[in-house]
Amino acid sequence: RKEVEQDPGPFNVPEGATVAFNCTYSNSASQSFFWYRQDCRKEPKLLMSVYSSGNEDGRFTAQLNRASQYISLLIRDSKLSDSATYLCVVNEEYGNKLVFGAGTILRVKS
Amino acid sequence: EPEVTQTPSHQVTQMGQEVILRCVPISNHLYFYWYRQILGQKVEFLVSFYNNEISEKSEIFDDQFSVERPDGSNFTLKIRSTKLEDSAMYFCASSEQGTGAFMNTEAFFGQGTRLTVV
Repeated sequence: RKEVEQDPGPFNVPEGATVAFNCTYSNSASQSFFWYRQDCRKEPKLLMSVYSSGNEDGRFTAQLNRASQYISLLIRDSKLSDSATYLCVVNEEYGNKLVFGAGTILRVKS
Repeated sequence: EPEVTQTPSHQVTQMGQEVILRCVPISNHLYFYWYRQILGQKVEFLVSFYNNEISEKSEIFDDQFSVERPDGSNFTLKIRSTKLEDSAMYFCASSEQGTGAFMNTEAFFGQGTRLTVV
């Protein structure tokens, strides 16, 4: 079973749409959770951390369900500039090692 | 804004040659990492480094790989005898604390070095 699993997409949405991405992780002892964004052939950049209580940053909302080992990202009012690959990332209980999902591709079109 | 810098941006090398990839982490960070991403695949952990020693390494990080912090600012990844399958984007990252030390410690990534082995 993959450690961090994501729907690869692509998700093709019009500008202004709301889109949701999901991710599951296999290690129940995982402690830290993130969404990173990666543009084509660029480095991953932190979009937001994910907290148990859920958190929001502008148009972005992240949720964590530890019981189901499930993480989500909601993007409201999509912009053309949101087009990228969204990486679900987990740090397991021990060690300093980020485990990346393969990413979900988002394409926002005008 | 402080950033992690990597050089070179692109390195082409012949199979069997040694390469050294260089990184300058963010100055007040204590933990350093190398990750790699083969084209079209996910980002994979190679090694973490703290207090001048390796704290964790993956199965990928075999005897052909080594890391070093030769001075107070640089952090290097050496591949002794490159293989075709080493072709990938190599990302250096750093963090104030270990990414597993406190909840949601952010790791900052450099722009990457694209290594092409021919």
